[in-house]
Amino acid sequence: AQSVAQPEDQVNVAEGNPLTVKCTYSVSGNPYLFWYVQYPNRGLQFLLKYITGDNLVKGSYGFEAEFNKSQTSFHLKKPSALVSDSALYFCAVRAYNNNDMRFGAGTRLTVKP
Amino acid sequence: GAGVSQSPSNKVTEKGKDVELRCDPISGHTALYWYRQSLGQGLEFLIYFQGNSAPDKSGLPSDRFSAERTGGSVSTLTIQRTQQEDSAVYLCASSLSQGLYNEQFFGPGTRLTVL
Repeated sequence: AQSVAQPEDQVNVAEGNPLTVKCTYSVSGNPYLFWYVQYPNRGLQFLLKYITGDNLVKGSYGFEAEFNKSQTSFHLKKPSALVSDSALYFCAVRAYNNNDMRFGAGTRLTVKP
Repeated sequence: GAGVSQSPSNKVTEKGKDVELRCDPISGHTALYWYRQSLGQGLEFLIYFQGNSAPDKSGLPSDRFSAERTGGSVSTLTIQRTQQEDSAVYLCASSLSQGLYNEQFFGPGTRLTVL
């Protein structure tokens, strides 16, 4: 069965600095990888996904993620963090032949002015 | 509607009572998912509906949990004889088609508290 690990419960960065939220996965076969963000008192919102093709994926709000097959990672990045990026971020994976989407436990990002 | 809606937004119930949670997916979305989010935890997959196909119930934690989807649209998640460990936020999501690579659109969730 597939699984996702987000090794950091909390990430703190200063506004304007680059940010990275880490994600590693385990799946049989080719993975479909997703990042979602959850703002306070709101539902999860889709940020970006990797299906196939270019390993660098660009998404909403200036976020991007790089698929690294050898390291089984899909880290989320942004060159310059904003205070408004503060939220809970979830990485998710599903196998190409499985309905079951597995989410990580989430990483709380705090961007300080 | 514009997005996935869920009702009620909050539900407080007593141990042993049954509860029903409702999800209205985005119009035209054929796939519908239920997840459970416990405090400090990630999302736990519960059940998946796709069109008129038999649902994937592999994530349901016990036979006290059941779900149905009527007319390929609205879905109801039912928890019978609720237990305190059922307390969580229940999230519904829908996606456009059967493709497993399609992103999901989430509702705001129903916060269930079992006393």
